[in-house]
Amino acid sequence: DIQLTQSPSFLSASVGDRVTITCRASQGISSYLAWYQQKPGKAPKLLIYAASTLQSGVPSRFSGSGSGTEFTLTISSLQPEDFATYYCQQLNSYPPALTFGGGTKVEIK
Amino acid sequence: QVQLQESGPGLVKPSETLSLTCTVSGYSISSGYYWGWIRQPPGKGLEWIGSIYHSGSTYYNPSLKSRVTISVDTSKNQFSLKLSSVTAADTAVYYCARRRWSYIDYWGQGTLVTVSS
Repeated sequence: DIQLTQSPSFLSASVGDRVTITCRASQGISSYLAWYQQKPGKAPKLLIYAASTLQSGVPSRFSGSGSGTEFTLTISSLQPEDFATYYCQQLNSYPPALTFGGGTKVEIK
Repeated sequence: QVQLQESGPGLVKPSETLSLTCTVSGYSISSGYYWGWIRQPPGKGLEWIGSIYHSGSTYYNPSLKSRVTISVDTSKNQFSLKLSSVTAADTAVYYCARRRWSYIDYWGQGTLVTVSS
């Protein structure tokens, strides 16, 4: 099975900072890579799918990139509402299971 | 607007079967997409449990496959999860969701299920 490793697992940043989170796959995967934001007590929210496509309604300060085994989520200018935990997720070939990374918690510096 | 709502017991005894139902509004399950369940143990990450298509075809997490059954009732616009022989390790927030094959675009609010005697 393909494993996803996110780094860092914890990130302390200030409002206005540029933040980059990395998701590494244990072997090459297609562009079926998604990113979610989760706030405490809430369900995850889809931010990015197909590695770089912004979900409708998501602010343009969020962007995704990457291919093969390394993918990144970038927040160009961190806002107060962006402090949350972020998860990457990929699609296995067969069975078509969804696998999540371990998460990156972004906290206020 | 698509909305999903989980329902079911919040407390299940060890060795028994966990049963949850997800009611979908704003979209007909019969129209397409996959529908599924994800769980999150307290303070931990997300784990995909399985998905079902409106036709009834299913895909399960291999690590849970022997204990999981997901079914759909298109007449009620609902789908359900059964997880048998539960232990404390199955204590989690359970989310139902709409899956667009490679990602999830709509989530329920989640329901905490505790396994305890």
